[in-house]
Amino acid sequence: SQTIHQWPATLVQPVGSPLSLECTVEGTSNPNLYWYRQAAGRGLQLLFYSVGIGQISSEVPQNLSASRPQDRQFILSSKKLLLSDSGFYLCAWSVGWDQPQHFGDGTRLSIL
Amino acid sequence: KQEVTQIPAALSVPEGENLVLNCSFTDSAIYNLQWFRQDPGKGLTSLLLIQSSQREQTSGRLNASLDKSSGRSTLYIAASQPGDSATYLCAVHTDKLIFGTGTRLQVFP
Repeated sequence: SQTIHQWPATLVQPVGSPLSLECTVEGTSNPNLYWYRQAAGRGLQLLFYSVGIGQISSEVPQNLSASRPQDRQFILSSKKLLLSDSGFYLCAWSVGWDQPQHFGDGTRLSIL
Repeated sequence: KQEVTQIPAALSVPEGENLVLNCSFTDSAIYNLQWFRQDPGKGLTSLLLIQSSQREQTSGRLNASLDKSSGRSTLYIAASQPGDSATYLCAVHTDKLIFGTGTRLQVFP
């Protein structure tokens, strides 16, 4: 069966520090991968998605970037965090763009 | 621009009640609609996916319906239990998933 792992579960970082969140999927090949952010009181917002290695699409301009160095690995990064980057970050995968998306347990990011 | 609204925002009911959660969307040009459950501080668990050509899907005590022409979906939970307490999210699939802000459900014994 397929599983998705995100780490770390929680992270507290100072403003201006770098960020690297990792997501890996097991049990499937060439999945579509997604990064979402869920801010307090707001719905989930799609940040990035990827249909293959090295292929990244950005949905909103922001302080973040994403990379897909391997088929089942998706990384969310920032060179310098802002206070507004605080939130709950969720990674998801699907076998196709119109197929059900399955989510990881998320990373709670707090910026001080 | 597609907008997804969920009503009510919060719901508190005694155990055993049958529940209806509502989801509405402004653009009927969708490929499918997905219902999720989110426990506090956790990720999303997919409950049901309804293709645009379908009218309903069932899984155990859950039944989701879709009326694409009117831009509505409902999630019916039969015989609610305290373990059903969570936030329920609907999302419509256009070129991406667009989420509602959820209904926070509490079922008390």
